Amino acid sequence: GAVVSQHPSRVICKSGTSVKIECRSLDFQATTMFWYRQFPKQSLMLMATSNEGSKATYEQGVEKDKFLINHASLTLSTLTVTSAHPEDSSFYICSARSIERNYGYTFGSGTRLTVV
Amino acid sequence: GNSVTQMEGPVTLSEEAFLTINCTYTATGYPSLFWYVQYPGEGLQLLLKATKADDKGSNKGFEATYRKETTSFHLEKGSVQVSDSAVYFCALSQSGGSYIPTFGRGTSLIVHP
Repeated sequence: GAVVSQHPSRVICKSGTSVKIECRSLDFQATTMFWYRQFPKQSLMLMATSNEGSKATYEQGVEKDKFLINHASLTLSTLTVTSAHPEDSSFYICSARSIERNYGYTFGSGTRLTVV
Repeated sequence: GNSVTQMEGPVTLSEEAFLTINCTYTATGYPSLFWYVQYPGEGLQLLLKATKADDKGSNKGFEATYRKETTSFHLEKGSVQVSDSAVYFCALSQSGGSYIPTFGRGTSLIVHP
């Protein structure tokens, strides 16, 4: 079946530094990728939607200069958390959608970011 | 707009007990309905889905029936196992499932031996 690989699974960084999270579709072309943030015991909050080769569309309240999203190819999207602060600590999950897969959504395994 | 309401957890059961997790939705038209499962430290996995009224989705002993008259999609399993301990998310998606899903808050299930 469709597989989305997300890396790293866990990362700890210092305040003020930047962290990049990668999301790859391994056996299909992801026409659209989505980035979510999940707070403890809460649902997934959609942060942004990215289409290959286009600028990402951010949801209201999400700072686009802080959460940089790049979708340079049909198999790779990256989320960079810039100048990270402790309040950015969270679980980030990507999801990919493919026309080939009947528009089904496949989720990555998530990244636990801890900013100290 | 679209919304999904799930029962609050955690739901705590003994092994082999019967499970029901309630889910109701608000949406225009005829959305597709989903249950996702998230095991500790992992991302979401699609558990089952139903795309039209009266459809029953099933997988791994779990099942849910799309009830348009009550706008519900309750998740059930006849006999839970410790390995079923996870967070379960109900979700809906418009246009045959091609639109980005709207998720409920998730319900944590804890199964004791």
